[in-house]
This record gives sequence, C-alpha cells and structure tokens, in this order.
Amino acid sequence: AQKVTQAQTEISVVEKEDVTLDCVYETRDTTYYLFWYKQPPSGELVFLIRRNSFDEQNEISGRYSWNFQKSTSSFNFTITASQVVDSAVYFCALSTVQGAQKLVFGQGTRLTINP
Amino acid sequence: GAGVSQSPSNKVTEKGKDVELRCDPISGHTALYWYRQSLGQGLEFLIYFQGNSAPDKSGLPSDRFSAERTGGSVSTLTIQRTQQEDSAVYLCASSQMRGAYEQYFGPGTRLTVT
Repeated sequence: AQKVTQAQTEISVVEKEDVTLDCVYETRDTTYYLFWYKQPPSGELVFLIRRNSFDEQNEISGRYSWNFQKSTSSFNFTITASQVVDSAVYFCALSTVQGAQKLVFGQGTRLTINP
Repeated sequence: GAGVSQSPSNKVTEKGKDVELRCDPISGHTALYWYRQSLGQGLEFLIYFQGNSAPDKSGLPSDRFSAERTGGSVSTLTIQRTQQEDSAVYLCASSQMRGAYEQYFGPGTRLTVT
C-alpha cells in the first residue's frame, strides 16, 4: 500500500521568509510518481510539479524548489521569499505505474503568509 | 483551453434523496478520476475511468455510489439515498493518460446532506 505523510498541519510565516513543506512517502514499488498540488482559498487544486522515481535531480521554478531524496523517501517543497499569494493548502501526492495510477494524497499543510 | 468543469458547484439535499454530480473533462483527456475531500478523511480516490470503462472502482464507499462515463467525455457520479456522512466536496480530475501525466482538477461540487 502507498502512504503519504505531511507532518506539518499548519505553518505560519511572515512575508519574505523562506518556508519548507515536508513530505514523506511509503511505497514498495520501484517506479512511482510524486506530485505537489496547491489548493488556494478558492478551492481548486492546482498542479505544481511531477517527479518520477528515477529522477532525483532537484528542481527550481522561480521561487519554488523541490528536493527529492529516495534515501529518506522525502519530497520536500521550499518557497523562497514567500508572498501573501502563496497562502494555501499544499498537498503532496504519490501514484504508481500499476493499475489506475490514482493519486494518494497526504493530509495537506495549511500555509499562511502574513504581511 | 477550457479546464475541467463540474456542476452543480453546490448541492444541498435532504437525507434519503438521490443526487447526480457532473464532470466535463478537458477535451481529449482519456483518463478521468473522481475524488472526495472531507474534513475527516482528507482527499480520497473514488473511481477511475479509462475511456468509458471503469477498471478501478475500489474507492466507492458503498453500493449507493455509482458512476458512468459516456462518449469518452462527460461523467456522472450518482449517490442514492444520501446520508449525512456523504457531505463532502466531490472533485473530478482528468489526464491525457493514466498516472504518468498530471491530473487536472475541476472546482468541485460541495454536497451538503441535511
């Protein structure tokens, strides 16, 4: 079975601070995909990134960066110089290549950026 | 282009009534998923369609829940004899193909059973 754990339920920081959201996953499959989604107050889940299990290179997109480490089964997400618009619930998710390849989500981290 | 759309956006129904929730996926997306988001259970998978067939229904919580997809496009999730525990946001997602491609989500239908 697959499992995703986001231990941080809520995080609150002041604007311009850097913040890291943790994600730890469990799977017995050797090939899998990891995702991050953002859910702003409007409610719609917005896709941010997909990584496959064979690519451990870190990725940077503007103020966003992702650190994938298979050795610790972690896929952490860092926002640099946070902005109020970054306030949202962030979900980490896992899917495998077998069957439906449905997303297994973590419980989410509610991030609040205060001005 | 147009994203995933869902209707209605909000639905309030009385316990025991049937409801139908609709999803219009992104044009050309062959895979379609239904998920449910509730406070107690988080985001959980309900059912997966590839084309018009549903090879994975493992997340449907009871036989009161059913879904269909027609023309490889629109999908309807039906809940019969609704119960208060069915209250949640029902999310639909589509992708070009299963899994390897990111799933794009609709805005959801908030269902409240009174």
